[in-house]
Amino acid sequence: TQLLEQSPQFLSIQEGENLTVYCNSSSVFSSLQWYRQEPGEGPVLLVTVVTGGEVKKLKRLTFQFGDARKDSSLHITAAQPGDTGLYLCAQYNFNKFYFGSGTKLNVKP
Amino acid sequence: ETGVTQSPTHLIKTRGQQVTLRCSSQSGHNTVSWYQQALGQGPQFIFQYYREEENGRGNFPPRFSGLQFPNYSSELNVNALELDDSALYLCASSSLSSGEKLFFGSGTQLSVL
Repeated sequence: TQLLEQSPQFLSIQEGENLTVYCNSSSVFSSLQWYRQEPGEGPVLLVTVVTGGEVKKLKRLTFQFGDARKDSSLHITAAQPGDTGLYLCAQYNFNKFYFGSGTKLNVKP
Repeated sequence: ETGVTQSPTHLIKTRGQQVTLRCSSQSGHNTVSWYQQALGQGPQFIFQYYREEENGRGNFPPRFSGLQFPNYSSELNVNALELDDSALYLCASSSLSSGEKLFFGSGTQLSVL
């Protein structure tokens, strides 16, 4: 069983603050995906990272894949209430998807 | 382009009953996967169907079974419901052209009493 550990589990911040959430595994990822899930909805894909050391930016979100491809981070600059949600990392391996337990982010106005 | 739709949105069952959940995949997608998401947890992979055949399964007992139809829609069946089966059940579709990108429905919230 592939285990994806996410931290922190919960994060409550004020609008305008920066934050970083993490996804780690003892195994090497072939690729890693980040999703955001809002209450009452299914997860929505934000980004896929493939290459060790890769950095991808999506507006105020910056995704980094570790050099050894065993960890990844998501950094949000100047968080807004619309960023509130559950952030999940996921890995696809041998016809199975594995998700982490997520980081629940609450951005207060 | 039609997105992934799931039905019903909410369902209440009692222990020991059987339930069928339905999913219509996004237009052009031939792969459907199902997930169980307990409150406060990430989705847990149940199984995946490709061209009407199961081609991947997570750590779920045989009382969790599924079907995929020629139009690529899918059903998840759970027999002998247990209290711990209470969860949000998510369906996702994908295709070769979408790579490993999953498109999720909004889920079915199942409560087992």
